[in-house]
Amino acid sequence: DVKVTQSSRYLVKRTGEKVFLECVQDMDHENMFWYRQDPGLGLRLIYFSYDVKMKEKGDIPEGYSVSREKKERFSLILESASTNQTSMYLCASRPRGLDYGYTFGSGTRLTVV
Amino acid sequence: SQQGEEDPQALSIQEGENATMNCSYKTSINNLQWYRQNSGRGLVHLILIRSNEREKHSGRLRVTLDTSKKSSSLLITASRAADTASYFCAATQGYNKLIFGAGTRLAVHP
Repeated sequence: DVKVTQSSRYLVKRTGEKVFLECVQDMDHENMFWYRQDPGLGLRLIYFSYDVKMKEKGDIPEGYSVSREKKERFSLILESASTNQTSMYLCASRPRGLDYGYTFGSGTRLTVV
Repeated sequence: SQQGEEDPQALSIQEGENATMNCSYKTSINNLQWYRQNSGRGLVHLILIRSNEREKHSGRLRVTLDTSKKSSSLLITASRAADTASYFCAATQGYNKLIFGAGTRLAVHP
């Protein structure tokens, strides 16, 4: 069964900490994505990557960075966590080509205190 | 910015009834997708309709797309309690931007 695995289901971090959210997919997909989901705002794209070491900013990249050193792994980094980054973070992947659906991980609920 | 906007925001029906959710979007798209999310979990891809298609079926799901009105609808027939979830439309803008709406919360009562 193909899947996208996010390393933590729940995470609590302190303001100012550097936070790493890890995502691994086993489907050999070229494209990987990080979204955050907030009530009333839906899902918003933070960053995506279309190949190893390649990345592009989404709609809300401020305060975040990403790393993709291997095809199967896409990491989201909160350089200095702030309380307004408390959210549900969702990783997704899809193959190269336009008309494919995304496969999502189960999400990481991050609380910054 | 949100591309899709769902209507209604919440829908409550009885088992066996049909559920219809609507989605509007703002710019030109390559395809439109529908996803389901169970309480606080990840999203599950349900169906994709290309911009040159008007209707698509998958099991109990029927999706329509009207590019002239920039709108889509998702019909779930003969609903079940297990269909209780949030449903999101998402429009593909360009090659790699999938923009989601705020979702419709569907409650199906036994």
